[in-house]
Amino acid sequence: AAGVIQSPRHLIKEKRETATLKCYPIPRHDTVYWYQQGPGQDPQFLISFYEKMQSDKGSIPDRFSAQQFSDYHSELNMSSLELGDSALYFCASSSGGQGAVEQYFGPGTRLTVT
Amino acid sequence: DQQVKQNSPSLSVQEGRISILNCDYTNSMFDYFLWYKKYPAEGPTFLISISSIKDKNEDGRFTVFLNKSAKHLSLHIVPSQPGDSAVYFCAARGNNAGNMLTFGGGTRLMVKP
Repeated sequence: AAGVIQSPRHLIKEKRETATLKCYPIPRHDTVYWYQQGPGQDPQFLISFYEKMQSDKGSIPDRFSAQQFSDYHSELNMSSLELGDSALYFCASSSGGQGAVEQYFGPGTRLTVT
Repeated sequence: DQQVKQNSPSLSVQEGRISILNCDYTNSMFDYFLWYKKYPAEGPTFLISISSIKDKNEDGRFTVFLNKSAKHLSLHIVPSQPGDSAVYFCAARGNNAGNMLTFGGGTRLMVKP
């Protein structure tokens, strides 16, 4: 079965640079979620989109923005990168809008900021 | 303030025995609870969920029990297998917070052959 695809899998950036992470949800899933997992921490919710509209917002810094496109893929744009942004970034998808319960996660993008 | 807590960072059990992973929560607005398994370098894999209106849900070797009055849930794996060795995350969904999940800190399960 097709899973959530994230690219790139690994990314190394320097401070103050920008980064773009991409997420391709499971086919026919209409909702995408972004989570950040710092070293030794649990995943923290950043933002989600349902049918290309932002549906929920968590602890996402103002330096970050995201969107969902017409083909339901999503991109997380990160600017003015800081050392503390180094983390695993997971994308998850679900179907059924607000009624969905299970979220299916991608393999993650490991971002290292030097 | 952590709303979902897994107080045991690690658990070691013998193959064939039962593994019991525990999770506590503080927010009474959570309406669904989920368990995820995570291997290194992979994303969390959904295992099983339970609605807050139920007290038990079973799927094969995995059973989740929910005690709402104690704000406590547990995941039972029986019999445990070496391939079950992974980090297990408890997660909760709030009925007033869209679909965002709040995760616990995880418990590393090691199943010894």
